[in-house]
Amino acid sequence: GQQVMQIPQYQHVQEGEDFTTYCNSSTTLSNIQWYKQRPGGHPVFLIQLVKSGEVKKQKRLTFQFGEAKKNSSLHITATQTTDVGTYFCAGRRAGGTSYGKLTFGQGTILTVHP
Amino acid sequence: DSGVTQTPKHLITATGQRVTLRCSPRSGDLSVYWYQQSLDQGLQFLIHYYNGEERAKGNILERFSAQQFPDLHSELNLSSLELGDSALYFCASSPTVFARNTEAFFGQGTRLTVV
Repeated sequence: GQQVMQIPQYQHVQEGEDFTTYCNSSTTLSNIQWYKQRPGGHPVFLIQLVKSGEVKKQKRLTFQFGEAKKNSSLHITATQTTDVGTYFCAGRRAGGTSYGKLTFGQGTILTVHP
Repeated sequence: DSGVTQTPKHLITATGQRVTLRCSPRSGDLSVYWYQQSLDQGLQFLIHYYNGEERAKGNILERFSAQQFPDLHSELNLSSLELGDSALYFCASSPTVFARNTEAFFGQGTRLTVV
């Protein structure tokens, strides 16, 4: 079945440092979404990428979708303590019949030290 | 507030018991997804319902079952509970299933503790 791998599992940074998490799918994706889960909270949608090679920015966050639509990355510039949480990528498999199945990566837990 | 309501928030039960988790999707959303999140684990997809019909199944145990009712709320039934079933169970909803641009809106989750 489809697998979505995310690395690293944990990342500890000093406030002001940059942070990147990577997501790789075993199958081609129709789109990829990114979610953030604060400690004790629930996943909250950040963004969706649909096109091959797409790059989107949200303030200090930059999201990329690979040319082959099998990988993605999230980069945070100059982290702040408010960035703490777990970042998940989630992909929908291209084609097939399970349109509703959104497969999540294991997540990257980001800790920011002030 | 995502608009997705899950009850109860917390549940403590003994091994071998059966529980029902309830989810009310956002108004107008036809799709309901169930996910299991164990400690320090990612979100494991369990099952997806669209307008009352099962549309996709993940690694859901045979002891688990779900349904979506005509009013679109959904219930996840967990039976013969084991210690390893202790986890956070999330419900998410989205407007449709076939459209590309559909994000999932998550509820606050039900924390199940099996003792």
